[in-house]
Amino acid sequence: DQQVKQNSPSLSVQEGRISILNCDYTNSMFDYFLWYKKYPAEGPTFLISISSIKDKNEDGRFTVFLNKSAKHLSLHIVPSQPGDSAVYFCAASDKKLTFGTGTRLTIIP
Amino acid sequence: DTAVSQTPKYLVTQMGNDKSIKCEQNLGHDTMYWYKQDSKKFLKIMFSYNNKELIINETVPNRFSPKSPDKAHLNLHINSLELGDSAVYFCASRRSDGDEAFFGQGTRLTVV
Repeated sequence: DQQVKQNSPSLSVQEGRISILNCDYTNSMFDYFLWYKKYPAEGPTFLISISSIKDKNEDGRFTVFLNKSAKHLSLHIVPSQPGDSAVYFCAASDKKLTFGTGTRLTIIP
Repeated sequence: DTAVSQTPKYLVTQMGNDKSIKCEQNLGHDTMYWYKQDSKKFLKIMFSYNNKELIINETVPNRFSPKSPDKAHLNLHINSLELGDSAVYFCASRRSDGDEAFFGQGTRLTVV
């Protein structure tokens, strides 16, 4: 029973273009959503978050969009840089963080 | 100064052994977690402690026993290790429900 899903296991984007990572959830009780970035042999590191009362949050090159009616969130990275190559996990919060399955983003120089 | 630290980073052990993984956070957070990342790379919660009290215990075999001696520490003890326990285990902490969690570097456990 996967309550948080990332349907694209991988994504390749040209350097300088926009990367869009998507995430869907099923539990309407989630009230806080987060994106994490993970490099090999390291723990996930927090990237950006959004409360369920908002529909957009921006931090530098990273913007998260939330569509509550569709139970969908997305992470936009623009412009994409080679250092952005990593696995990205979305997570939804209630008493715990429930993670999606991850999307491996590769930025092509 | 590492915020969430786990030891050891790598652990190779034989089936049937008992082992422990330690976790410490210096962020002053009240809540700590153990997550397991399996071979399919799913990050699944195992346990959550708040102020040394167990609040979440997902369907984890009782061979796994978390112990929180104080708010800053959450250790994971595993008895009678099995091949299927091989995974990366992550410790995390956060201040409250509405905040981000901070993760340790992970412990790669290999059972042979």
